[in-house]
Amino acid sequence: GEQVEQLPSSLIVQEGASVLINCSYTDSASVYFPWYKQEPGKRLQFIIDIRSNMERKQNQRLTLLFDKKTKHLSLHITATQPGDSAIYFCSARPVGGSNAKLTFGKGTKLSVKS
Amino acid sequence: EAAVTQSPRSKVAVTGGKVTLSCHQTNNHDYMYWYRQDTGHGLRLIHYSYVADSTEKGDIPDGYKASRPSQENFSLILELASLSQTAVYFCASSAGYEQYFGPGTRLTVL
Repeated sequence: GEQVEQLPSSLIVQEGASVLINCSYTDSASVYFPWYKQEPGKRLQFIIDIRSNMERKQNQRLTLLFDKKTKHLSLHITATQPGDSAIYFCSARPVGGSNAKLTFGKGTKLSVKS
Repeated sequence: EAAVTQSPRSKVAVTGGKVTLSCHQTNNHDYMYWYRQDTGHGLRLIHYSYVADSTEKGDIPDGYKASRPSQENFSLILELASLSQTAVYFCASSAGYEQYFGPGTRLTVL
């Protein structure tokens, strides 16, 4: 089945810095890649997604890059704030139907120091 | 905004006992999911359902059963709870691509 890997597993940055979170997947049938943020003790919240027919998507301070050939994604967060401190999860899923299930990476714990 | 609720929010169970975790969604979504979260493992899919009265096995179904009696409700059942099932359990629902998560249930098996 699908496997999703994330690197790094954790990082600590100063407020205002930019960060890059890398994600790779194995199944070429995956076509949709949502990212979620989980603040301490809270539920997962959707933050950005990309489909396999796109190369780049931006949402304010978040930029998501996708390389179908290498099966690799990168989440770039600029001008980080303490409120960005959370675990970030990359995930992948195939086209819908009965197989519409997400496979998650293990997460990247981001700590932003003020 | 999507509304997914879970009950109980936390539970302590004894080894060998039966545990039922409940999930309720008011979004009219067809798909519902149960995940467990363990430190260092991210989220792993246990069971899911895309229609009432039907459930599918996820990636780690052993030791768990699921029940979807209606579109709104999805339960996770541990018939014989074990120490290894101590984790945080999340329910989610979706109509298509984006999943909406519940607040989680922290289960401790002693």
